[in-house]
Amino acid sequence: ETGVTQTPRHLVMGMTNKKSLKCEQHLGHNAMYWYKQSAKKPLELMFVYSLEERVENNSVPSRFSPECPNSSHLFLHLHTLQPEDSALYLCASSQEWGADTQYFGPGTRLTVL
Amino acid sequence: SQQGEEDPQALSIQEGENATMNCSYKTSINNLQWYRQNSGRGLVHLILIRSNEREKHSGRLRVTLDTSKKSSSLLITASRAADTASYFCATDPGAQKLVFGQGTRLTINP
Repeated sequence: ETGVTQTPRHLVMGMTNKKSLKCEQHLGHNAMYWYKQSAKKPLELMFVYSLEERVENNSVPSRFSPECPNSSHLFLHLHTLQPEDSALYLCASSQEWGADTQYFGPGTRLTVL
Repeated sequence: SQQGEEDPQALSIQEGENATMNCSYKTSINNLQWYRQNSGRGLVHLILIRSNEREKHSGRLRVTLDTSKKSSSLLITASRAADTASYFCATDPGAQKLVFGQGTRLTINP
């Protein structure tokens, strides 16, 4: 729909598991973002990559580890998560880093047991 | 409190009626954007209005911006069931990022 895909769409994991979320954008954009969306909270920006370099890390716990191997792909590696990490994780991209229009993927619904 | 705050938090109207949502923000901005999110899905960009613009239209959407009051409104005319979604404003208060509000949850009743 928007040129940004995310897999998996749903993920259930235990607190000791290690899993990864994947995002791919087909829009030729230079910036990619990870957001966390919890119930009754505003969208929280987690990480920003511009031209494959991390440019923002908003005090995110180290149990979340981003990786951007190229400008089209973005990963979020998860380990030793807590139940309060259960949320919808959204990936987005924009032409350039900044206040450009952002294009979002459909999200990964994560449940931590 | 948030940079962008939508009001009301929830709105329920009959199909065919107009829906108006408001967004207030605190610091000066370069532009303000509105996004829509269907339940459990990603956000979809609707419209961007720059700080030197006062009004913008896109189909059934009309956005206004009052920089003196630091507020914006989104009007959806002749609402349809498919307009049921959450609507977010996003501002750029500097530091090269967008800040999203908590959103208005709009329900269109048939």
